[in-house]
Amino acid sequence: AQTVTQSQPEMSVQEAETVTLSCTYDTSESDYYLFWYKQPPSRQMILVIRQEAYKQQNATENRFSVNFQKAAKSFSLKISDSQLGDAAMYFCAYNTDKLIFGTGTRLQVFP
Amino acid sequence: DTGVSQDPRHKITKRGQNVTFRCDPISEHNRLYWYRQTLGQGPEFLTYFQNEAQLEKSRLLSDRFSAERPKGSFSTLEIQRTEQGDSAMYLCASSLTSLAGVPDTQYFGPGTRLTVL
Repeated sequence: AQTVTQSQPEMSVQEAETVTLSCTYDTSESDYYLFWYKQPPSRQMILVIRQEAYKQQNATENRFSVNFQKAAKSFSLKISDSQLGDAAMYFCAYNTDKLIFGTGTRLQVFP
Repeated sequence: DTGVSQDPRHKITKRGQNVTFRCDPISEHNRLYWYRQTLGQGPEFLTYFQNEAQLEKSRLLSDRFSAERPKGSFSTLEIQRTEQGDSAMYLCASSLTSLAGVPDTQYFGPGTRLTVL
């Protein structure tokens, strides 16, 4: 069975700095998708970034980028130029037919 | 595109009562998913539909839970004889999956927060 592990329950970063959130996963499949979702307090889950496993190039969306290491089964999220609005729970997720989520990392952003 | 909507947003009920939640997906999406999220945890998969067909159910979905998507549009999730352990956020998501079965991004609704007293 596929599993997703986020080993950092909480992280903090100062505004304008860079932070990296870690995620590892376990699967025997070769073709899959990986996602980072953001869930602000009392607000709905929104997509941050998506990575197809067959693509070697790391996905980038504005200030958000990933470091996808397929052999190591690692999928970290880098947030550059952090903003106060980035404060939220961040979930790493693995997708075949359904999403399998990690336990999340709570990101605090300090001014 | 109005996004995924869920109703109600909050539900408080007494143990033993039945509750029903509704989810309206993004209009052209053929897949609809239900997840349950407890405090401080990531969402856990419950079940999903492709059009009106229920394709998979998690072991988490006991026989007190039933989900339908009768016309391949909106879906309902019913919990019978609620228990305090059912208290959670129930999330709905939808996606557009190709004929080849390639899963696309799932878009989430705001969730229904259930409190069982």
